[in-house]
Amino acid sequence: KAGVTQTPRYLIKTRGQQVTLSCSPISGHRSVSWYQQTPGQGLQFLFEYFSETQRNKGNFPGRFSGRQFSNSRSEMNVSTLELGDSALYLCASSPRAGDTQYFGPGTRLTVL
Amino acid sequence: KNEVEQSPQNLTAQEGEFITINCSYSVGISALHWLQQHPGGGIVSLFMLSSGKKKHGRLIATINIQEKHSSLHITASHPRDSAVYICAVRSRETSGSRLTFGEGTQLTVNP
Repeated sequence: KAGVTQTPRYLIKTRGQQVTLSCSPISGHRSVSWYQQTPGQGLQFLFEYFSETQRNKGNFPGRFSGRQFSNSRSEMNVSTLELGDSALYLCASSPRAGDTQYFGPGTRLTVL
Repeated sequence: KNEVEQSPQNLTAQEGEFITINCSYSVGISALHWLQQHPGGGIVSLFMLSSGKKKHGRLIATINIQEKHSSLHITASHPRDSAVYICAVRSRETSGSRLTFGEGTQLTVNP
């Protein structure tokens, strides 16, 4: 089976812009979680989707949003980008919520 | 105080040494994960455990639920084991997959 894929892998944006990141889970996996990793804060949970419904949301401002499609692919969107949003954004999928998570390679976002 | 604390933060070892990384947590959990992250960012899940001990090759993970503590051991360490090892917990209060992470342990194994 193909692993979790994320696109794009690298992205450079400027402050105030918005960005959409995409995640394709392993075939058959219905749970998709998103995480942000920064040198200062480490890994932090953003949100989780299961069967197109958001199950959990982390402590991030409303500028961060996401969705999941019927084929389990997921997107996350960040509006009005700030310098502090520069990070590695990781997506992980699992067959069911609570199972072992399989991580994608991440999207490295740089905000200038 | 973070909910998940790891020690040490940095660890340097010689090839062949036995390595232990510790993780303590302060919340009730339903599962604890050990993850490995190589330079470049890719994360691999090594173990998910809720009790006892698991072994995979040269890696062993143990957990003591009463003491809220887990250890990751690497036997006969090798330079390819050099990576960041991250402990993460799923709270008992969480119905989904939400994880809370430790800060990670940077392991360097020298030949």
